[in-house]
Amino acid sequence: AQSVTQLGSHVSVSEGALVLLRCNYSSSVPPYLFWYVQYPNQGLQLLLKYTTGATLVKGINGFEAEFKKSETSFHLTKPSAHMSDAAEYFCAVSSKETSGSRLTFGEGTQLTVNP
Amino acid sequence: NAGVTQTPKFQVLKTGQSMTLQCAQDMNHNSMYWYRQDPGMGLRLIYYSASEGTTDKGEVPNGYNVSRLNKREFSLRLESAAPSQTSVYFCASSSRDRGWDEQFFGPGTRLTVL
Repeated sequence: AQSVTQLGSHVSVSEGALVLLRCNYSSSVPPYLFWYVQYPNQGLQLLLKYTTGATLVKGINGFEAEFKKSETSFHLTKPSAHMSDAAEYFCAVSSKETSGSRLTFGEGTQLTVNP
Repeated sequence: NAGVTQTPKFQVLKTGQSMTLQCAQDMNHNSMYWYRQDPGMGLRLIYYSASEGTTDKGEVPNGYNVSRLNKREFSLRLESAAPSQTSVYFCASSSRDRGWDEQFFGPGTRLTVL
C-alpha cells in the first residue's frame, strides 16, 4: 500500500520569501511522485513529476522538487514566492505496481502569500 | 481543445434523490477517473476506467455507479444521495493507464446533499 503525508495543512510566507512544502511518502516499490496545484474554484494542474532519472525535478512557475529516497521525501520549493502562488498544493504517489495511474493524494497544503 | 469538461458545476439534492454527473474529454485519452475532494482529506478515487469498456472500483466506491459511455464520456451516478456524499467531485483523464502519466482534471462539480 502507498501513502502520502503532507506536513502542515497551512503554510504562510511573505512575498519574495522561500516556499517549502513538505511531502513524505510510503511505498514498498519505486514510486512515481507528483505535485499538483489547485487554484480557487478550479481543478488540479500538474506542477511537476518524478518518474526515474534525475532526482531534482523542475516544474512550471519556478517550482522544483527533489526526490530523496533515503528520507522518503519529495519536498516542493520555490526560491521567491509570488502573490499568484497562493493556492492549495497536493503531493501524490503512484508506482508500476499500482493498477495503472491510481494516484494516492496527500491531504493538501494551503499556501498563503502575504504582501 | 476544451480539455476535461464537467456538468453541472453546482447541484443541491435532497436525501434520497438521484443524479448523474457528466464528464467528457476531447484529448483522445484512454483512461478516465472520478475523485471526490473533502476538506483535509485530499482527493480520493471513486471509480476509474482504464480503457473504453472497462471500469473498476477505487478507494471509496460505495453509493456510486459509473458508465464509460464511449471513449470521450465517463459518467458518475448517485442512485440515492446521502449527506455524506456532499463533496466536490472531479473527473480526470490520462493518455493511458500507466503510473507515470499526467492526469488532466476538470473544473469540478460542487454537490450538496441536504
